[in-house]
Amino acid sequence: EDQVTQSPEALRLQEGESSSLNCSYTVSGLRGLFWYRQDPGKGPEFLFTLYSAGEEKEKERLKATLTKKESFLHITAPKPEDSATYLCAVLFGSNYQLIWGAGTKLIIKP
Amino acid sequence: EAQVTQNPRYLITVTGKKLTVTCSQNMNHEYMSWYRQDPGLGLRQIYYSMNVEVTDKGDVPEGYKVSRKEKRNFPLILESPSPNQTSLYFCASSFYQSTDTQYFGPGTRLTVL
Repeated sequence: EDQVTQSPEALRLQEGESSSLNCSYTVSGLRGLFWYRQDPGKGPEFLFTLYSAGEEKEKERLKATLTKKESFLHITAPKPEDSATYLCAVLFGSNYQLIWGAGTKLIIKP
Repeated sequence: EAQVTQNPRYLITVTGKKLTVTCSQNMNHEYMSWYRQDPGLGLRQIYYSMNVEVTDKGDVPEGYKVSRKEKRNFPLILESPSPNQTSLYFCASSFYQSTDTQYFGPGTRLTVL
């Protein structure tokens, strides 16, 4: 069965404490993987698209990486404003289906 | 400002009372879609539209209708809402298809009593 799993469900960090969020997937024919950020009371906002294993993208304190089975969103020296729910979505198959993970809620304490 | 707008943002209704949630985008996007977001689950697509007058079912279309008479608008219609449709709904748009970056509206929180 095609599925996308994000872990952990929630993560609490102190400001400056680096960590990683995981998005693992079991699909046939990966076309791409998206990372979005969702703030409370708002819609998801696009962060990155990764297309093939080994690809990496960076934006400020965030770095996304992709392997054949999973993607990581690395957060370096996070600040309280990085607190949000981070969603990943996997695009796959000949019909370009899109499956979303349930998200990881990240809380950065000052 | 480029954006996707939804109305209303919050709605409490009763079982069986027809309702419409509006969605509008000002980016001249071809592709629009509706999602629902429930606790512990990923976003699930309800319906999508590749262009004016072209709509198709997503993963969870039962109990919903849509229309695309104008490029900028994509309303979601619940003709006879039921409690299991209580959810957070998002409209999204992208240039051509779901493979493109999607821009989301602020969400509509619907409660069906």
